[in-house]
Amino acid sequence: QVQLVESGGGVVQPGRSLRLSCAASGFTFSNYAMHWVRLAPGKGLEWVAMVSFEGSDGNGEYYVDSVKGRFTISRDNSKNTLYLQMNSLRVEDTAVYYCAKDDGVFTFDYWGQGTLVTVSS
Amino acid sequence: SYDLTQPPSLSVSPGQTASITCSGDKLGDKNACWYQQKPGQSPVLLIYQYNKRPSGIPERFSGSISGNTATLTISGTQTMDEADYYCQTWDSTTVVFGGGTKLTVL
Repeated sequence: QVQLVESGGGVVQPGRSLRLSCAASGFTFSNYAMHWVRLAPGKGLEWVAMVSFEGSDGNGEYYVDSVKGRFTISRDNSKNTLYLQMNSLRVEDTAVYYCAKDDGVFTFDYWGQGTLVTVSS
Repeated sequence: SYDLTQPPSLSVSPGQTASITCSGDKLGDKNACWYQQKPGQSPVLLIYQYNKRPSGIPERFSGSISGNTATLTISGTQTMDEADYYCQTWDSTTVVFGGGTKLTVL
C-alpha cells in the first residue's frame, strides 16, 4: 500500500531554514510527480511546490509565487524521498506541510500525515 | 493568477442533500477534483476528473460540471460528513485550490 511519511518539521525563528523530507513506499516513486501542500492555521489548503517525475521535463520544479526564491523542492529517486528546503522562513509560512502523490493529471491521490512547521521568534 | 470560488460554509440536516459549488474561469475546459478534510486529518480525494469516484469512496458522493461551475453533491448527508471540502484544478503548471467550504451537519 502507498505510504508517505513526512518529517523535519519544528519550531524555527524567522529568517532561518528548515528541510522537510517525505519518505515514499508502495509505488514506483520515480514514475510520479510529487507535491508539497500546506494548511496554515485558520486558512485553506495551499499548493506550495511540485517536482516532475523522471523522464518528463527533466525534474521540472514549480512553485507558488509566495515561496519562489526561498523554497526548493527536490527528489532522490534512489532513496524514494521527496524534500522541501525552506530558507528565509517567515511567520506566514507557519503551517502543516503535506507531501502528496500526483496521479498523473495533477490530482493528489495519496497524502502524508503532515508535519508542522512553526515560524516564531 | 487563477482563482476558484467556493461558498465558505454550508449547513444541512442529516439525510438531506448537500451541494457545494466551485466556480472558475473556463473550469469546464480544465479538470476538477474534490477533497474532504476533517480536523487533524490529511485530505482525502473524493472526486477526480469532475465526476469519477476513487475506490472506497461512498456512492453518496458525486461530482458534476456545468459550464464553469463544478459541483460536489452529498446525498443523504451523514454526521460523519461534517468536514472541510476543497475543489482543485490546475492552470499551466500551477495547482489551485478553492478556498474551502465548511460543511456543518446538524
